[in-house]
Amino acid sequence: EAGVTQSPTHLIKTRGQQATLRCSPISGHTSVYWYQQALGLGLQFLLWYDEGEERNRGNFPPRFSGRQFPNYSSELNVNALELEDSALYLCASSSRDRKNEFFGPGTRLTVL
Amino acid sequence: DQQVKQNSPSLSVQEGRISILNCDYTNSMFDYFLWYKKYPAEGPTFLISISSIKDKNEDGRFTVFLNKSAKHLSLHIVPSQPGDSAVYFCAASEAGSARQLTFGSGTQLTVLP
Repeated sequence: EAGVTQSPTHLIKTRGQQATLRCSPISGHTSVYWYQQALGLGLQFLLWYDEGEERNRGNFPPRFSGRQFPNYSSELNVNALELEDSALYLCASSSRDRKNEFFGPGTRLTVL
Repeated sequence: DQQVKQNSPSLSVQEGRISILNCDYTNSMFDYFLWYKKYPAEGPTFLISISSIKDKNEDGRFTVFLNKSAKHLSLHIVPSQPGDSAVYFCAASEAGSARQLTFGSGTQLTVLP
C-alpha cells in the first residue's frame, strides 16, 4: 500500500512569490493535515481538511491556505512568500478514527 | 502557549544502554498520546501510543509510561541502538470528533556506538 506522497520534494521561490505544495493521502484516508517545521522548531500545525472541508487551522496568517479535492488529495498554497516561510512542510493523513497520522516525506521550501 | 513540551532538545546515550525521552503536557483533556520518530529528510513515523486509561504500553524495545497526575509521559528504549538516532516527537490529542494532534518540539536522540 502506498504511503502519503508529497510533491515537489524541493521548491525554491523568491520573496513575494506564491508556492503550491501537493499531497496525496493514503488510499481510504479522508483527513489531511499540513504542518510546518521550521529549522530548530517542532511541528507547527497549519491546516486540517476532512471530506473536502477545512476543519481547523493553526495560528498562521491567511496567506496560508489550501483545499482538499474530491479524491482527498490536498494543496497548500502560500501567497506573498516571506523569508521566514522557509521550512519543511509536512503532510499527514489519517483514517476516520483519526487516532494516528501517517506522514509524507515533506516538501522543503526555500524562500530567497 | 505550548500544550506539549519536550524540554530536552537533545540526548546522547551509549549503545546498549537505556534511552529515556520525556514529555510534559498541560491540557488535562488530552487522553491519547503518541510518539513519532523522524529521520532527516523523511516524515515522522509512528512509534508507539498509549491511551489515558493505561499507564504503560510496551512494544519490543520501546515502552511508553504515562503519569496522568503529573501530566508526564516518557519513552524508554532498551537497549538503545545506533539506528535509533533520530528526532523523537511526542504528540497528544483530546477525545471528541476533532482528535487533532498537538506535537512537542522534539528531542534529538544520538546513540553512540
